[in-house]
Amino acid sequence: AQSVTQPDIHITVSEGASLELRCNYSYGATPYLFWYVQSPGQGLQLLLKYFSGDTLVQGIKGFEAEFKRSQSSFNLRKPSVHWSDAAEYFCAVGAKDSNYQLIWGAGTKLIIKP
Amino acid sequence: NAGVTQTPKFRILKIGQSMTLQCTQDMNHNYMYWYRQDPGMGLKLIYYSVGAGITDKGEVPNGYNVSRSTTEDFPLRLELAAPSQTSVYFCASTHGGFGELFFGEGSRLTVL
Repeated sequence: AQSVTQPDIHITVSEGASLELRCNYSYGATPYLFWYVQSPGQGLQLLLKYFSGDTLVQGIKGFEAEFKRSQSSFNLRKPSVHWSDAAEYFCAVGAKDSNYQLIWGAGTKLIIKP
Repeated sequence: NAGVTQTPKFRILKIGQSMTLQCTQDMNHNYMYWYRQDPGMGLKLIYYSVGAGITDKGEVPNGYNVSRSTTEDFPLRLELAAPSQTSVYFCASTHGGFGELFFGEGSRLTVL
């Protein structure tokens, strides 16, 4: 069965510092991978996605993620965080043979220290 | 651009009451979804629809019903509310496949 693990429930970083949020997935075939962000009191917004090709994908708001098949990971990175990046981040994996449904990780809450 | 609109934003129900969460989208998307979000649990799929007249169960459908009579609207019905249905509910839509999901702002439901 597919699953997604985000090992960190909370992460605190200083403004201007670099960020890496971890995501590990379990899936037999080539996965379709996504990162979404949820600002407080809002719905989720797509940051980036990986379907195939270049394993380093660029997204909105200066985020990037790298697909590593050998490690079953799709970690999200940003070189320098801003206070406005404080939010909850969700990794998700999808499979065509499940009628395009997504399996979601539990989320990582990012806290920015001034 | 309205996108995905959910109503109500907040609701308190008594055990055994029923209610409908409304969801409408103006992007002519075929795929629509209802999720619930509980703390530390991510999103769980309740029901989804791939087009008007077509609905299917997701991971946690018990206690809920849906209908899809038009492309725009996808209401979620809670029958006989239970405390376990206390959650934040999100409606989402996409044009199809693994396209970008567009989410409503959520509906916070408390069952007492």
